[in-house]
Amino acid sequence: AQSVTQLGSHVSVSEGALVLLRCNYSSSVPPYLFWYVQYPNQGLQLLLKYTTGATLVKGINGFEAEFKKSETSFHLTKPSAHMSDAAEYFCAVRSPTGANNLFFGTGTRLTVIP
Amino acid sequence: EPEVTQTPSHQVTQMGQEVILRCVPISNHLYFYWYRQILGQKVEFLVSFYNNEISEKSEIFDDQFSVERPDGSNFTLKIRSTKLEDSAMYFCASSLGAGITDTQYFGPGTRLTVL
Repeated sequence: AQSVTQLGSHVSVSEGALVLLRCNYSSSVPPYLFWYVQYPNQGLQLLLKYTTGATLVKGINGFEAEFKKSETSFHLTKPSAHMSDAAEYFCAVRSPTGANNLFFGTGTRLTVIP
Repeated sequence: EPEVTQTPSHQVTQMGQEVILRCVPISNHLYFYWYRQILGQKVEFLVSFYNNEISEKSEIFDDQFSVERPDGSNFTLKIRSTKLEDSAMYFCASSLGAGITDTQYFGPGTRLTVL
């Protein structure tokens, strides 16, 4: 069974500061990993995903995430926060075999302070 | 850019009433999903649907729930007799295929409040 833990339901950063949103997963096999973002009144939008290969994955809007198998982590980072990054961020996993449904974390609300 | 739409954005109902949540997936997509998020909890998978059949469902998706694709564009989730604990945000999603390269595209959600 897969599960995801997102540490910190709320994260605040200053504009221009580093963004770090944490995600740890539990899976019996190396899963596929995803970050989704939800802006107000919009659907969840895929930021990036890891399947196989290079462990550092680059996504849209300057975000990237690194798959660390030894730490069972897939933390999301961005070097410099922008006001437009304020949103809810969801980490998710999916089994590489079988069903294609996603298992999500509880989400992290990012606030960017001017 | 094509997007998944959901109506209504907010639904308020009395306990025991039936509700139907509606979704219009992206037009050429073949796989459809419902997820829900109870306030403060994880987004949870409910059901996936392909070729007019349920392909996967979670333990949450009991006999009170049903899904239907009544025409070529809509995908609905029906809750027959709502309970207080059904209050949640319900997300519809669709994807072109079921492979790892097939991104699931989500709608903005319907907030269901059961009184």
